[in-house]
Amino acid sequence: AQSVTQPDIHITVSEGASLELRCNYSYGATPYLFWYVQSPGQGLQLLLKYFSGDTLVQGIKGFEAEFKRSQSSFNLRKPSVHWSDAAEYFCAKSGVDSSYKLIFGSGTRLLVRP
Amino acid sequence: DADVTQTPRNRITKTGKRIMLECSQTKGHDRMYWYRQDPGLGLRLIYYSFDVKDINKGEISDGYSVSRQAQAKFSLSLESAIPNQTALYFCATSDHLYEQYFGPGTRLTVT
Repeated sequence: AQSVTQPDIHITVSEGASLELRCNYSYGATPYLFWYVQSPGQGLQLLLKYFSGDTLVQGIKGFEAEFKRSQSSFNLRKPSVHWSDAAEYFCAKSGVDSSYKLIFGSGTRLLVRP
Repeated sequence: DADVTQTPRNRITKTGKRIMLECSQTKGHDRMYWYRQDPGLGLRLIYYSFDVKDINKGEISDGYSVSRQAQAKFSLSLESAIPNQTALYFCATSDHLYEQYFGPGTRLTVT
């Protein structure tokens, strides 16, 4: 079955430190991949997406992600975290059929220490 | 104004009651989706619709029904609410490129 795994439930980093959130997916040689962010009390906002081409993609708010086919991974990174980045982050992939469904990981909650 | 709106934003209801959650969008997208979010489980798809005449079940459709009244409106109903349907519910829309746009969510509590 198709799945998206985010192995870290919580991550705590200090403000100004670098960040990497992990995401692995199963099934699908070249899936469409996404990272969404959910701030408290808010809906999900798209940070970035990968469809094809350059495997390093840039998103909003200074985030980037790298697609590594050999590792079935799409990790999210930010060089310097700001307190406002505290939120929950979801990785998602497209289904392999024509339904345009997204399959979401269970999320990683980011806490930022002052 | 928000592109995807959901009403109500919060709702507390009793077991056995019928409840409807509504979603409206101004993005002009044909595809609309209903998800529920539970802690530690991410988002799970309940129903999705490609147009007014095309409704499809997602992975957790039992206990739910939907209505696509127009291109811009997609409603989710719980015919007889039960406590394990307590969750955060999101509506989303998409164009043909898989990217989905989410509403602010409805927090539903069934007592």
